[in-house]
Amino acid sequence: QKEVEQNSGPLSVPEGAIASLNCTYSDRGSQSFFWYRQYSGKSPELIMFIYSNGDKEDGRFTAQLNKASQYVSLLIRDSQPSDSATYLCAVNEGYQKVTFGTGTKLQVIP
Amino acid sequence: EPEVTQTPSHQVTQMGQEVILRCVPISNHLYFYWYRQILGQKVEFLVSFYNNEISEKSEIFDDQFSVERPDGSNFTLKIRSTKLEDSAMYFCASNQGVGAEAFFGQGTRLTVV
Repeated sequence: QKEVEQNSGPLSVPEGAIASLNCTYSDRGSQSFFWYRQYSGKSPELIMFIYSNGDKEDGRFTAQLNKASQYVSLLIRDSQPSDSATYLCAVNEGYQKVTFGTGTKLQVIP
Repeated sequence: EPEVTQTPSHQVTQMGQEVILRCVPISNHLYFYWYRQILGQKVEFLVSFYNNEISEKSEIFDDQFSVERPDGSNFTLKIRSTKLEDSAMYFCASNQGVGAEAFFGQGTRLTVV
């Protein structure tokens, strides 16, 4: 059973700080990695995707991928209260199937 | 901005009844998916669909489930004989290609009573 692991949190950070969210995955063959944000009762919303080792930046968000360590992370700079949500790590497994982690709940304290 | 749309937003059904959940994927997308999320649990893959056939399915997607693309725009999930444990949010998603980012609809909350 291929797994995607995340710390469920909650992760509490003060407004303006950097939030660091981590994810590990078990399938060495995975090629595509995604971060989704999910507000309570809503659908997952794509934040970032990354395919290659290293960093990928988009505005306040940076995704980091280390395939050797089977590790992917999301940094959120200048965290805002509106960033408070559950962040889902998702990993492409096989042909099309995407496996989600359980999510990390982020709380940004004003 | 193009989006995936799902109907209905909430469906209540009696145990044993059939339900059909509907989705309109983004128009230039080629791959379509159904996921479910039981309250408080993680998002789980059910099935992927490409070129008018199922391309992958999970162990959850048993004989009581089926999918169909009845016309050029709709993508449906049918649950033949609903069970209490089928109560969940069902999300439709679509993307342009294998491994590409998928975009989710707003979900259908299915409640089986």
